[in-house]
Amino acid sequence: LAKTTQPISMDSYEGQEVNITCSHNNIATNDYITWYQQFPSQGPRFIIQGYKTKVTNEVASLFIPADRKSSTLSLPRVSLSDTAVYYCLVGDTMGYNFNKFYFGSGTKLNVKP
Amino acid sequence: DAMVIQNPRYQVTQFGKPVTLSCSQTLNHNVMYWYQQKSSQAPKLLFHYYDKDFNNEADTPDNFQSRRPNTSFCFLDIRSPGLGDAAMYLCATSRGRVQSSYEQYFGPGTRLTVT
Repeated sequence: LAKTTQPISMDSYEGQEVNITCSHNNIATNDYITWYQQFPSQGPRFIIQGYKTKVTNEVASLFIPADRKSSTLSLPRVSLSDTAVYYCLVGDTMGYNFNKFYFGSGTKLNVKP
Repeated sequence: DAMVIQNPRYQVTQFGKPVTLSCSQTLNHNVMYWYQQKSSQAPKLLFHYYDKDFNNEADTPDNFQSRRPNTSFCFLDIRSPGLGDAAMYLCATSRGRVQSSYEQYFGPGTRLTVT
């Protein structure tokens, strides 16, 4: 089971680009990398998912190097409303448990005015 | 439109008094999950259903049980809540392995208080 390691917290200012890096050294061949965002007293919300290279959607970009042992979530021009906890997850693809994965400690992003 | 609905949003129960939390989904997803999230901690997977097949995490206490009577509904039963069971309980769904998606859709959670 691939375990993830992220910084516990990060600070940023409005309008800046924020990059949050996640380490997953023992990622398996078939595992995808997924990022979630969670606001206080709410359920996590899917942000982005990728397997390799770069993925971009309307919210964020995900950069994955060739060895896939890490990934970086990039949030362009953050605003105060991006203050949240960001979780990096790696999928457990062991047969039946294809959709089961585990949340790591997450990164608490604090965006300041 | 709400896709994963959890009721109630806030639940207060007494020490040792059984409590049931409910989750429903309008997504017709195969898989439903229950997570426990304590204050300032990450969500912890308790168990999940793939259709009618139940999968318990090895470290989930026996005090926690689950039922899934049909595709849309899933229940979390805590047989004898202790003070340590006070937490946010999150329900989530996903399509299942056939569609190769890791995206889970979470409900808003039920905050359980044990007095």
